[in-house]
Amino acid sequence: GQSLEQPSEVTAVEGAIVQINCTYQTSGFYGLSWYQQHDGGAPTFLSYNALDGLEETGRFSSFLSRSDSYGYLLLQELQMKDSASYFCAVEGGYQKVTFGTGTKLQVIP
Amino acid sequence: NAGVTQTPKFRVLKTGQSMTLLCAQDMNHEYMYWYRQDPGMGLRLIHYSVGEGTTAKGEVPDGYNVSRLKKQNFLLGLESAAPSQTSVYFCASSYSDRGPENEKLFFGSGTQLSVL
Repeated sequence: GQSLEQPSEVTAVEGAIVQINCTYQTSGFYGLSWYQQHDGGAPTFLSYNALDGLEETGRFSSFLSRSDSYGYLLLQELQMKDSASYFCAVEGGYQKVTFGTGTKLQVIP
Repeated sequence: NAGVTQTPKFRVLKTGQSMTLLCAQDMNHEYMYWYRQDPGMGLRLIHYSVGEGTTAKGEVPDGYNVSRLKKQNFLLGLESAAPSQTSVYFCASSYSDRGPENEKLFFGSGTQLSVL
């Protein structure tokens, strides 16, 4: 089976940097993705890592270490609109995409 | 280009009733997924499909059935609804080629289902 662990809640100050961690156990691994979901909305794709290292997309970066079954999402220059839930997701064997339970990020002034 | 469309957006059922949720995508995606989302539980995979005429079980398949008769449509059925199936249901789709830019899931706007 597949399981993913991430913190349930994180609070950070506007303008600061926050890191959301994700550890996973999976049978088969093709990549780790991150999604953002605002209250009442649908998840939207942020980033994807198939190989070890850092991927940067604007204010957001994502890191993967396959040997440690670990990844993180880094959000820089936090804005109030970044308040949302963030989910890591693993694509494992048989094209299954499994999501973590999500991290609720609260950005405060 | 509508993307992924789910119908209906809201539905209230009585215990034991049946219903079908429809997901349609116009991006020619091979893969389609049904998830349910409950508070504190994240998104849990119910069933998925890697192509027309194929389906597979996810993490929580009991009480649900699916069909993928046409590539663009993925139907989720509840034969005898139970209060435990009260949830928000999301459909998603993606390309099969996991090259750059193809790895993302595109989600529908969700269906809020209440079973009384």
